[in-house]
Formats: sequence, structure tokens, C-alpha cells
Amino acid sequence: KNQVEQSPQSLIILEGKNCTLQCNYTVSPFSNLRWYKQDTGRGPVSLTIMTFSENTKSNGRYTATLDADTKQSSLHITASQLSDSASYICVVSYGNKLVFGAGTILRVKS
Amino acid sequence: DGGITQSPKYLFRKEGQNVTLSCEQNLNHDAMYWYRQDPGQGLRLIYYSQIVNDFQKGDIAEGYSVSREKKESFPLTVTSAQKNPTAFYLCASSIRGGRPLGNEQFFGPGTRLTVL
Repeated sequence: KNQVEQSPQSLIILEGKNCTLQCNYTVSPFSNLRWYKQDTGRGPVSLTIMTFSENTKSNGRYTATLDADTKQSSLHITASQLSDSASYICVVSYGNKLVFGAGTILRVKS
Repeated sequence: DGGITQSPKYLFRKEGQNVTLSCEQNLNHDAMYWYRQDPGQGLRLIYYSQIVNDFQKGDIAEGYSVSREKKESFPLTVTSAQKNPTAFYLCASSIRGGRPLGNEQFFGPGTRLTVL
């Protein structure tokens, strides 16, 4: 069964600290993997998209990694800010389908 | 100001009533989608359309209907047949049809539907 599992479900960190969110998938055959940020009550916004051949991709303070062999991805947030508080969703594409993870809810405290 | 708009932001419906959610885009995208989001679950695809006057069922189409009469508009009707309609509904679009689910999707702000 094609699934995307994200961990942790939720996370609280202090402003300025770093954190890493995990995404494991069983989707096959794999096309690409995306990370989205979703603010409460809003639509998701794309952060990064990686194909099979890419290991790392950065977008400002966000860095995504991909290990296609182990089917794992991570999203690292550096020097967190209060505005980083949101849900982060991992999405894996295969063929003409998308499989969405349930998301990790991140709360950044001052 | 380009983008995807959804209206209304909040919608309340009595049981047994049909209700239509609006989705408009001015990005000139061919493909449009409707998703449902429930707490603790990933987004689930309801319907998608690759081109005007054509649409396909997604994973959870029962109790929903759509139309695609114009490129920029893709309204979703939640019918009384939908057993548990209370959810957050997201509309999205992507540039091309053909293999639209492989292209990056841009999301609207969502409509929260509550059935009383």
C-alpha cells in the first residue's frame, strides 16, 4: 500500500533553535517528493520539490534531504522563527497520483 | 494579483441540504483539483479536471459533484448523500493537464464547511 508517514505528529521548540521533521514513504514507483507549509486555516504552500536524483534542496532556512534508497526524507529548519509555526506536509508523487502525509504540527515559542 | 480564490471561507449547512463551494483561478492553469482535509489525516482527492468540460473522480468522490464549464472555475457541490461533510476543503490548480498530478499544485485558502 502506498503510504507516507510523518514524525513527530507535533513538536514544540524555542525560537532560534533548529529542528528536523521526518518523512518515510512506501510509494513506488517514485516520481518526486515535496514539502509544503500550511498555516492554520490556510492552503499549503510549496517549500521544496525533489526528484529521484536529488539528495538535498534548500529554500532559505529550510533544507530538505532525500534518500531514495531508504525511502526517507527530512526537512531541517534552521534558526526557527515564530512565523515557522505551521503544519509541514510531505507529499510523494508516483505516476499521476499524489500521496499526502498527515503532517507535523510545529509550534515555535518565544 | 494572480492566484486561487475560494469562497466562502466559512460555510454552515443544515443536514440534508446541498451546498456549493466556489473555486476560481486566474493563473491560466489547465488542471484543477478538490481535496478534503480532516484532522490527523493527509489530504484526500475528491475530483480533478485536466481540461474544460472534463473531470475525473478521485479517491473519495461519493456524495460530491463538480463541473468545469470554464477554465478558471471548478465549483464543488457537497450533496446530502455525503455522510460526513464537515471538513476543510482545498482547491488547487497546476499548469498542465495530461499528467496533472505530477505537476506542482498551487492551493487556494480553503473553505471550512460545518454541518449543523
